[in-house]
Amino acid sequence: EAGVAQSPRYKIIEKRQSVAFWCNPISGHATLYWYQQILGQGPKLLIQFQNNGVVDDSQLPKDRFSAERLKGVDSTLKIQPAKLEDSAVYLCASRPNLGGLQETQYFGPGTRLLVL
Amino acid sequence: DAKTTQPNSMESNEEEPVHLPCNHSTISGTDYIHWYRQLPSQGPEYVIHGLTSNVNNRMASLAIAEDRKSSTLILHRATLRDAAVYYCILRDGNYGQNFVFGPGTRLSVLP
Repeated sequence: EAGVAQSPRYKIIEKRQSVAFWCNPISGHATLYWYQQILGQGPKLLIQFQNNGVVDDSQLPKDRFSAERLKGVDSTLKIQPAKLEDSAVYLCASRPNLGGLQETQYFGPGTRLLVL
Repeated sequence: DAKTTQPNSMESNEEEPVHLPCNHSTISGTDYIHWYRQLPSQGPEYVIHGLTSNVNNRMASLAIAEDRKSSTLILHRATLRDAAVYYCILRDGNYGQNFVFGPGTRLSVLP
């Protein structure tokens, strides 16, 4: 079974530029998450999708961050414009929706963003 | 969200057992205890989870205190590949809350 795919793996931009990250979850996984992980900290949830609908985006800085999952499969996270403090690893995770609330999340390798 | 407390770092020798502690004194009756680990330059991966009883799988064992206010992840024979950050997370089984990751414990394995 293929894992969660993310691209690009690394990105360097200057502040005020825009950047987009792509995620392809494990086939058949209905739930998709985007996390931000700042160096030395644990991942912090930005947004959760169930199929193509947003379930939780309470911690997404909506003035500059946006995310979509139009067909309920792959997803894009965008930052526009980027700030220095957005330097972090952006992780995508997916989870099957088999009914058990303790289901495992499967993470991708992440995209490491550096804002100069 | 119920909170967990873990040591910032721990060290172990290769091929010896490792006991990683986690305190969760405010745990509720429906909170599941999850452990994930994050190897260098990778996303977190699932290790084990449990509710009340001790749990074993091919990766590790989870020992849960009788009052459920603490738990211990046990790696029976540490290898160099086990060097990672280990996260202990509580998740309410009734309400399906999302994971809240703390800083975790950084485990170093010495050859």
